Amino acid sequence: AQSVSQHNHHVILSEAASLELGCNYSYGGTVNLFWYVQYPGQHLQLLLKYFSGDPLVKGIKGFEAEFIKSKFSFNLRKPSVQWSDTAEYFCAVTSSGAGSYQLTFGKGTKLSVIP
Amino acid sequence: ETGVTQTPRHLVMGMTNKKSLKCEQHLGHNAMYWYKQSAKKPLELMFVYSLEERVENNSVPSRFSPECPNSSHLFLHLHTLQPEDSALYLCASSQETGEKLFFGSGTQLSVL
Repeated sequence: AQSVSQHNHHVILSEAASLELGCNYSYGGTVNLFWYVQYPGQHLQLLLKYFSGDPLVKGIKGFEAEFIKSKFSFNLRKPSVQWSDTAEYFCAVTSSGAGSYQLTFGKGTKLSVIP
Repeated sequence: ETGVTQTPRHLVMGMTNKKSLKCEQHLGHNAMYWYKQSAKKPLELMFVYSLEERVENNSVPSRFSPECPNSSHLFLHLHTLQPEDSALYLCASSQETGEKLFFGSGTQLSVL
């Protein structure tokens, strides 16, 4: 069975600091990887995704993530955070291929950005 | 607004009550999902429907009963729940299974 580990439960940063949120998964086959974000009082929404190709994926709002297959990792990064990035971030993985639906989420990392 | 609407937003029920959660998507998607979000636990997939047929049931207790009458609507019928079932229940949809999910705002359920 696949699983996702997000090592940081809560990260607190000042504005303009750089961000890196860790995500590791366990699954032996080919995967699709996602980062979802939940802003306070809002629904979960997709931040970025990796299916294939360039392992460095760029998403909305200046976020990017790098898929490192050898490390089973898909860390989320942003060079300079803003107060509006305060949210909870969820990494998720599913096996690739037709009919795949078992999207497994990590526990989430809460990011608090201090003005 | 994601195009996925859930009602009610909040629900308080006793352990002997019967209630239903409703989800509606206006995106023309073929797959719909129920997820459970509890504090300090990962999102848990409960049920998946693809083209109105259930394709996944992750060992969910029978006190949760899903229904998908058509590709736009999904229900979760609840009866004789336990206090530990208190959680945020999220509905999601996707064009096909395995693709980007669009989530609703959830129903915050409290079981007394």
